[in-house]
Amino acid sequence: AQTVTQSQPEMSVQEAETVTLSCTYDTSESDYYLFWYKQPPSRQMILVIRQEAYKQQNATENRFSVNFQKAAKSFSLKISDSQLGDAAMYFCAYRSARTSGTYKYIFGTGTRLKVLA
Amino acid sequence: NAGVMQNPRHLVRRRGQEARLRCSPMKGHSHVYWYRQLPEEGLKFMVYLQKENIIDESGMPKERFSAEFPKEGPSILRIQQVVRGDSAAYFCASSTRTSEFSYNEQFFGPGTRLTVL
Repeated sequence: AQTVTQSQPEMSVQEAETVTLSCTYDTSESDYYLFWYKQPPSRQMILVIRQEAYKQQNATENRFSVNFQKAAKSFSLKISDSQLGDAAMYFCAYRSARTSGTYKYIFGTGTRLKVLA
Repeated sequence: NAGVMQNPRHLVRRRGQEARLRCSPMKGHSHVYWYRQLPEEGLKFMVYLQKENIIDESGMPKERFSAEFPKEGPSILRIQQVVRGDSAAYFCASSTRTSEFSYNEQFFGPGTRLTVL
């Protein structure tokens, strides 16, 4: 079974600085998707970034980028120029890319990010 | 195009009562997923449904929990004889019909927060 581990329960970053959130996962599959979701106090799940395992290039979305290390099964999120609005819980998630199956997401336990003014 | 809708947003029940949570998927989406988020934890998969079919209920507790997605109307997650341990946020997500080469993103609703007194 696949697992997702986020070992940092809480992180802090100064406004305008850069922070990296860690995520490791375990799977025997070769094709899958990885995600970072943001959950602000409203509890709405917001997709931040997605990475396809077959792509070697790291995904980037504006100030958000990932460092995807497939062999190490590591998927970290870098937030540059942090803003107060980035403060939230961040969840790493995994989904199989198999064409049969449930397509269910497997989430980590989350990292609470605090942004200091 | 309205997003995934869930109601109620907040639900309070006393121990032993029934809870019914509703999820209306995005227009054109025929796949629904239910996830549960216990306090200070990540989301955990419960059940995956297509119209009139339960595809995967491997994450559902064996007793008291049931889900349906009828041909017409919203998907319903039903919890009978609620206990305090059922207090959590319940999220619904929907996606389009899955295909071999399509990513089929899951779009999340705002969640229903269930409190059992």
